[in-house]
Amino acid sequence: DAGITQSPRHKVTETGTPVTLRCHQTENHRYMYWYRQDPGHGLRLIHYSYGVKDTDKGEVSDGYSVSRSKTEDFLLTLESATSSQTSVYFCAIGTPRQGGNIQYFGAGTRLSVL
Amino acid sequence: DQQVKQNSPSLSVQEGRISILNCDYTNSMFDYFLWYKKYPAEGPTFLISISSIKDKNEDGRFTVFLNKSAKHLSLHIVPSQPGDSAVYFCAASGDAGGTSYGKLTFGQGTILTVHP
Repeated sequence: DAGITQSPRHKVTETGTPVTLRCHQTENHRYMYWYRQDPGHGLRLIHYSYGVKDTDKGEVSDGYSVSRSKTEDFLLTLESATSSQTSVYFCAIGTPRQGGNIQYFGAGTRLSVL
Repeated sequence: DQQVKQNSPSLSVQEGRISILNCDYTNSMFDYFLWYKKYPAEGPTFLISISSIKDKNEDGRFTVFLNKSAKHLSLHIVPSQPGDSAVYFCAASGDAGGTSYGKLTFGQGTILTVHP
């Protein structure tokens, strides 16, 4: 258990409304990531963070923003949700290992935009 | 441009036999490779990884093989068990020198079904 909590676990919202997903970690990891999972695409990186207030874009960042004001919290915001953002969202933390960086994932948030 | 590809959407295996899951990549800058297992309604779970300086890494029933010249890696599960039934994702990163912040590029996943 990597101590990652995602909230909410499920959310249904309407097109055009703002939505914020929260990722909370308890182990003081520096690196945090947001992915979305869609059929046929595996997991795709939305945004990532390499420290407090240090964030950058991933592969599919359009329509999303993030904030990290504390080490333990990484927020993903959909400013104006669209139906194409219906997906399962996963947060991950990164732990350096010899030769690379292993990521551990939260349980996910299933978001439906109607 | 799919930099990491899992060309088999599904694989069906009998309990006790070997499961072989395959993954190809195109980016020669990738130097660290991982396999994850995912059950429905759960997050991906880390299984095993391999650095590009190695060609094999083993952990219990799981072995990952890396062929850098072919840009191909595979995950072997021996013996396969019904509890191994899940979606398996391969992932890659170019983390040499820590310049990519551990970002992962994932394949599309392969659904493994192990029949009793």
